[in-house]
Amino acid sequence: AQSVTQPDIHITVSEGASLELRCNYSYGATPYLFWYVQSPGQGLQLLLKYFSGDTLVQGIKGFEAEFKRSQSSFNLRKPSVHWSDAAEYFCAVGPHNNNDMRFGAGTRLTVKP
Amino acid sequence: DTAVSQTPKYLVTQMGNDKSIKCEQNLGHDTMYWYKQDSKKFLKIMFSYNNKELIINETVPNRFSPKSPDKAHLNLHINSLELGDSAVYFCASSQELGGGYTFGSGTRLTVV
Repeated sequence: AQSVTQPDIHITVSEGASLELRCNYSYGATPYLFWYVQSPGQGLQLLLKYFSGDTLVQGIKGFEAEFKRSQSSFNLRKPSVHWSDAAEYFCAVGPHNNNDMRFGAGTRLTVKP
Repeated sequence: DTAVSQTPKYLVTQMGNDKSIKCEQNLGHDTMYWYKQDSKKFLKIMFSYNNKELIINETVPNRFSPKSPDKAHLNLHINSLELGDSAVYFCASSQELGGGYTFGSGTRLTVV
């Protein structure tokens, strides 16, 4: 069965600094991979997704993620963090044959002024 | 227009009561889902419906029952509410395989 691990429960970065959130997955084949963001009191919003092809995918709000098959990773990055990026970030994996998506435990991002 | 809307946003109720949470999507998606998010933010899938057919039912107590009157609606009915049911419940929908989900804003259920 597919699973997702987000090793970092909580990360704090200064505004303007770069950001990388880690995500590792376990799946027998190439899965669909996703990053979602959840602002306080809100639902989850899709940031970006990977299906196939170019391993570096661009998303909304200046985020990007890189799929590395050899490391079973799909880390999320942003070159310069804004205070409004403070939120909970979820990595998710879904198989190609259905929509059974599994979420990681989430990483809470705090942005210092 | 809200793509996936849930009502109510907040629900406070006593143990033993029966309650329902409604979900509607106006995206024309074929599949709808219910997720439970616990106090530690962990998301667990509860149900999904594809064209009125239940296709996923994780180990959820049978006190929880999804009801889908049509493709645009997936309501969640909960019988005999327990303290442990307190959580945020999210509805979501999707279209094509791997297209990602569109989430509602959640219903915070508090059982007292």
